[in-house]
Amino acid sequence: EVQLVESGGGLVKPGGSLRLSCAASGLTFSDTWMSWVRQAPGKGLEWVGRIKRNIDVGTIDYAAPVKGRFTITRDDSTDTLYLQMNSLKTEDTAMYYCTAVGGFGEFAHWGQGRLVTVSS
Amino acid sequence: EVVLTQSPGTLALSPGERATLSCRASQSVSGNYLAWYQQKPGQVPRLLINGASNRATGVPDRFSGSGSGTDFTLTITRLEPEDSAVYYCQQYGSSQYTFGQGTKLEIK
Repeated sequence: EVQLVESGGGLVKPGGSLRLSCAASGLTFSDTWMSWVRQAPGKGLEWVGRIKRNIDVGTIDYAAPVKGRFTITRDDSTDTLYLQMNSLKTEDTAMYYCTAVGGFGEFAHWGQGRLVTVSS
Repeated sequence: EVVLTQSPGTLALSPGERATLSCRASQSVSGNYLAWYQQKPGQVPRLLINGASNRATGVPDRFSGSGSGTDFTLTITRLEPEDSAVYYCQQYGSSQYTFGQGTKLEIK
């Protein structure tokens, strides 16, 4: 069974930084594209960014609203995905989900999510 | 960026009826890289369909996906009360992923 367990998050002031982690198990992490998806309170789903496998050069793509502020990395030695969030804005307040990407670009597996609140 | 527009916004049907949810893309979705998700209140989204028409593991055959190009449909037959949820479509193309705004399905 695939398990994705996020940690980190919490309350931060505008302009601050936060890092989320996602520990993966039950899948071959190094062979899997990974992604972050977020959902603001009462709103729909929004893709944040995706990191390919290292064999695919580990290419990373970001959604326009977070590009230049957020950084996704992966550690295949510990099967962990990270999301470093800098220059946070109030509109970044959301539940952040770690996901494993499938062969058709779908988000096949989801973590339980971590709430990030950006407020003064 | 490919914009996905879902309709209707809300759908209210009775148990046993058939639901038809639409997802229209602003440009052709390459390779039919189109997925559908179900999200119940307070829960994590669940993958239902990938590749436009492939049911994910454990998804009942009452759920089916169809379509290609710019027009896609999620059909749910023999509706059950537990099908009450918000349904999202999602596409992947040109290294970007986008979601539709969601259709809320209410079972009366």
